[in-house]
Amino acid sequence: GIQVEQSPPDLILQEGANSTLRCNFSDSVNNLQWFHQNPWGQLINLFYIPSGTKQNGRLSATTVATERYSLLYISSSQTTDSGVYFCAVGPNTGTASKLTFGTGTRLQVTL
Amino acid sequence: DGGITQSPKYLFRKEGQNVTLSCEQNLNHDAMYWYRQDPGQGLRLIYYSQIVNDFQKGDIAEGYSVSREKKESFPLTVTSAQKNPTAFYLCASSIVAGSEQYFGPGTRLTVT
Repeated sequence: GIQVEQSPPDLILQEGANSTLRCNFSDSVNNLQWFHQNPWGQLINLFYIPSGTKQNGRLSATTVATERYSLLYISSSQTTDSGVYFCAVGPNTGTASKLTFGTGTRLQVTL
Repeated sequence: DGGITQSPKYLFRKEGQNVTLSCEQNLNHDAMYWYRQDPGQGLRLIYYSQIVNDFQKGDIAEGYSVSREKKESFPLTVTSAQKNPTAFYLCASSIVAGSEQYFGPGTRLTVT
């Protein structure tokens, strides 16, 4: 099956700093989502971005499908950005329903 | 208020007992999914349903069963055959199979 690798696994930032999270995947996809998991376990949808670039406030994402990677940018980080960020992909072949998750990037934003 | 609800939030069971986790959505989504998350890991797909009265196994279906008798509901039963049932279980739905998935708040199951 498709493999998903996220980097870095852990990241500590001071409030106000910028960061880039990376997601590499091993095959072509027709679905790519970025999620933020808060301390209570809730998965919050950030972006649905199988290709192209999107922005939402301080967050933006870019997926280069031909090169099989996606980037999540967090600017001017705040303590509320802390948590785990997951990338999940759905393959272009076989079942369109299956999302495969990476193991996440754990972000801690300090004052 | 549209969304996905899961109940209960915490569930404790003795080994050898079956337990059913509830997932309900009022988003009028056709597709529904069950995932399992272990500490420090990503989510893994247990079962999914693209439409009422139809469901397929995901990557880790052994020891689990589901039903999809209504569009709004997709309950998951964790049977005594599941070797390591203690985990965080998340339900999701999407308008159709393959489109953006939205997640419920999850149920933390502890089996002792």
